[in-house]
Amino acid sequence: DIQMTQSPSSLSASVGDRVTITCRASQSISTYLNWYQQKPGKAPKLLVYAASTLQSGVPSRFSGSGSGTDFTLTVSSLQPEDFATYYCQQSYSVLWTFGQGTKVEIK
Amino acid sequence: QVQLVQSGADVKKPGASVKVSCKASGYTFTNNDINWVRQATGQGLEWMGWMNPNTGKTAYAKKFQGRVTMSRNTSISTAYMELSSLRSEDTAVYYCARGVSGTYSDYFDHWGQGTLVTVSS
Repeated sequence: DIQMTQSPSSLSASVGDRVTITCRASQSISTYLNWYQQKPGKAPKLLVYAASTLQSGVPSRFSGSGSGTDFTLTVSSLQPEDFATYYCQQSYSVLWTFGQGTKVEIK
Repeated sequence: QVQLVQSGADVKKPGASVKVSCKASGYTFTNNDINWVRQATGQGLEWMGWMNPNTGKTAYAKKFQGRVTMSRNTSISTAYMELSSLRSEDTAVYYCARGVSGTYSDYFDHWGQGTLVTVSS
């Protein structure tokens, strides 16, 4: 199975900060990498697919980049509603896997 | 609008089976895969498998092979996930999610509201 490793596992940041989350795959997955945001008690929400394509309706302060094994999700200016847990997910292989998540907390 | 509405919370005893439903609306049910993802309390997302509602073809994560069965009833646009031989570690929220096959990635664009399954004696 393809393993997905996110870092950091958690971070504290302030409103307005630039935040970057990384995701590393155990083998090359081309651009078959997606990012989701999850708030407590809610279903996950798709933010970015194909490594860098913003889902419709997602604010432009979110961006994704990378290909192969290394990927990043960046929030250019953190807003109060962005405090949540973020997951990467690969769909390169038949058996899909998620990263362990990165919790973004208020500093 | 696309909606996935799941069945309600359930409590099962260890060793029993649970069957969760996911009713789709707002799109053609057979055009998109349905995936199942679970999340134990305070833990991350765990992909369980997918089903093609058109063909019935399935693929399951190795962890669940032999214990999970994904099925569908196309006449009522509903997908099902049945997990057997339940143990306490299966206590979790179970989500269905619609899969989209893109050119450069496949992804989940709509999710159900989640179904809490509690396994307790």
